[in-house]
Amino acid sequence: GQNIDQPTEMTATEGAIVQINCTYQTSGFNGLFWYQQHAGEAPTFLSYNVLDGLEEKGRFSSFLSRSKGYSYLLLKELQMKDSASYLCAAMDSNYQLIWGAGTKLIIKP
Amino acid sequence: DSGVTQTPKHLITATGQRVTLRCSPRSGDLSVYWYQQSLDQGLQFLIQYYNGEERAKGNILERFSAQQFPDLHSELNLSSLELGDSALYFCASSEGTSGGPTDTQYFGPGTRLTVL
Repeated sequence: GQNIDQPTEMTATEGAIVQINCTYQTSGFNGLFWYQQHAGEAPTFLSYNVLDGLEEKGRFSSFLSRSKGYSYLLLKELQMKDSASYLCAAMDSNYQLIWGAGTKLIIKP
Repeated sequence: DSGVTQTPKHLITATGQRVTLRCSPRSGDLSVYWYQQSLDQGLQFLIQYYNGEERAKGNILERFSAQQFPDLHSELNLSSLELGDSALYFCASSEGTSGGPTDTQYFGPGTRLTVL
């Protein structure tokens, strides 16, 4: 079956760095997406990776290893507004997104 | 603002009733997706349309149906509503549906449905 695993909850300190991991098993692979979702709001797109390596976008970076079925989202210089859920989603061979349950990130002062 | 609009923002109704949720995709996007998200739960994919045709089906109940119109807006119809249908319903749209960054889904603000 197809599956996405990511931690349920993580806690980090304001100003620090946090890495949110995601492992995926899909039939075929056409890219990995990360979204941010604040409570009660819509998910917003953060990043897309289809080739191995690190993509950097300001304070956020996303890494992909296709051979390991693994991705992570790296958040630097954490701010209180980064408290949110982070959703990992992998696109399968039918171009359908398989969604993880999300990682709730709690930022403490 | 993602450019995806959804109406209404909030909907309160009673069990057994029928409601229609509406979504307008971003300009130029041909694909529309519907998701359900119950409180503190993950996103559950319901159904996808591409240029008016059903493209993929997820965990959509038989009581639920959807369609995409020639102007590309979409409607999700929920009937014989039950208490457990109370949730946030999101619509998303994407430009393409065949791989690559054009498949990035952009989400509308959602419709919060409360069934009493």
